[in-house]
Amino acid sequence: GQQLNQSPQSMFIQEGEDVSMNCTSSSIFNTWLWYKQDPGEGPVLLIALYKAGELTSNGRLTAQFGITRKDSFLNISASIPSDVGIYFCAGTVLSGYALNFGKGTSLLVTP
Amino acid sequence: DAMVIQNPRYQVTQFGKPVTLSCSQTLNHNVMYWYQQKSSQAPKLLFHYYDKDFNNEADTPDNFQSRRPNTSFCFLDIRSPGLGDAAMYLCATSMDRVWGYTFGSGTRLTVV
Repeated sequence: GQQLNQSPQSMFIQEGEDVSMNCTSSSIFNTWLWYKQDPGEGPVLLIALYKAGELTSNGRLTAQFGITRKDSFLNISASIPSDVGIYFCAGTVLSGYALNFGKGTSLLVTP
Repeated sequence: DAMVIQNPRYQVTQFGKPVTLSCSQTLNHNVMYWYQQKSSQAPKLLFHYYDKDFNNEADTPDNFQSRRPNTSFCFLDIRSPGLGDAAMYLCATSMDRVWGYTFGSGTRLTVV
């Protein structure tokens, strides 16, 4: 699979702060997806991006598909305690079906 | 609600005893996937079905097999589970390659 570099690996923030995480790839991706995974649960899709330059919001979440097609970021505004979890970026290349995942960003939010 | 359902949520099996995990979907997606996720790691694709066509990942051990009897159901068979096969197994579906890529809640497999 393709290697995705996701950063930061973990974040420890206070409630109300904004959060930013990103993923980069050495290959061109044609899809970027952002998932949140709670302990013992499957990943839940937050935002899907299908076009270079696309900027999409889902409530307090905003994600962008980089114009080089090799990167994406996810922003969370005004974080709340229920934002706690592991956030994964994932993407696909033209030739395959597998989702290539980043290693995840562990987010902790203190009240 | 349309969804991907995995049963059971937790499965304990004995070393070497065959085990089957099941997945069903109401999304009418044509592609179904099985991923393995070990602790603190990202999910790793084992194989997928595009309609009835089975596609195995190159590094998936022979110990893992799959069946898709119809559009809605897909099974993961582990013929002789080893201790290293203890993991969360995630089923996912999509329409064609990426549209609506949805995961189930997973089955946590313990091998004793």
